[in-house]
Amino acid sequence: DIQMTQSPSTLSASVGDRVTITCRASQSISSWLAWYQQKPGKAPKLLIYKASSLESGVPSRFSGSGSGTEFTLTISSLQPDDFATYYCQEYNSFFMYTFGQGTKLEIK
Amino acid sequence: EVQLVQSGAEVKKPGESLKISCQGSGYTFTNYWIAWVRQMPGKGLEWVGIIYPGDSDTRYSPSFQGQVTISVDKSINTAYLQWSSLKASDTAMYFCAGRSDPGEFDHWGQGTLVTVSS
Repeated sequence: DIQMTQSPSTLSASVGDRVTITCRASQSISSWLAWYQQKPGKAPKLLIYKASSLESGVPSRFSGSGSGTEFTLTISSLQPDDFATYYCQEYNSFFMYTFGQGTKLEIK
Repeated sequence: EVQLVQSGAEVKKPGESLKISCQGSGYTFTNYWIAWVRQMPGKGLEWVGIIYPGDSDTRYSPSFQGQVTISVDKSINTAYLQWSSLKASDTAMYFCAGRSDPGEFDHWGQGTLVTVSS
């Protein structure tokens, strides 16, 4: 089974900061990776798919990159609405959808 | 607009059965995989299983195989997740999500909180 490891687990940052979250796969997943944002008590929201494609309606300050085993989610200038938990998810495996453990983005 | 609307919160006792639902609208229900995702209190997301309403093709995570049953009723555009005998460890929020091609979950239900307690 593929394992997905996110780092850091918690990230403290300020409005206006540029932040990067990393997701590593235990084996190559090509570009079959998505990023989600989840706020407390709410459903996750798709931000990025196929590693770097921005979902419709998602602000352009969000971007994704990477392929193979290492991926990043970057927020270019943090806004107050961006403080949330972020998850990566692989979908390279046949009918297996493994999530990372999550990264909580907190206000510094 | 694609919408997935889930049934309301449930409080059950260990050993009881339960079936929660996810109704789709705004798209062709039979052409869109529906997945179920578990989130235990304070924890991350875990994929439970997925069903294709067109032919009821169903796949389960090995961690959930035999523990739950996923089904669908095409006549009312609804997918289900059910348990025959609940345990306290089934206490969690359960989300349904629509799976786009090739595999990202692009639409989500609002979640159903299941609490199992004696």
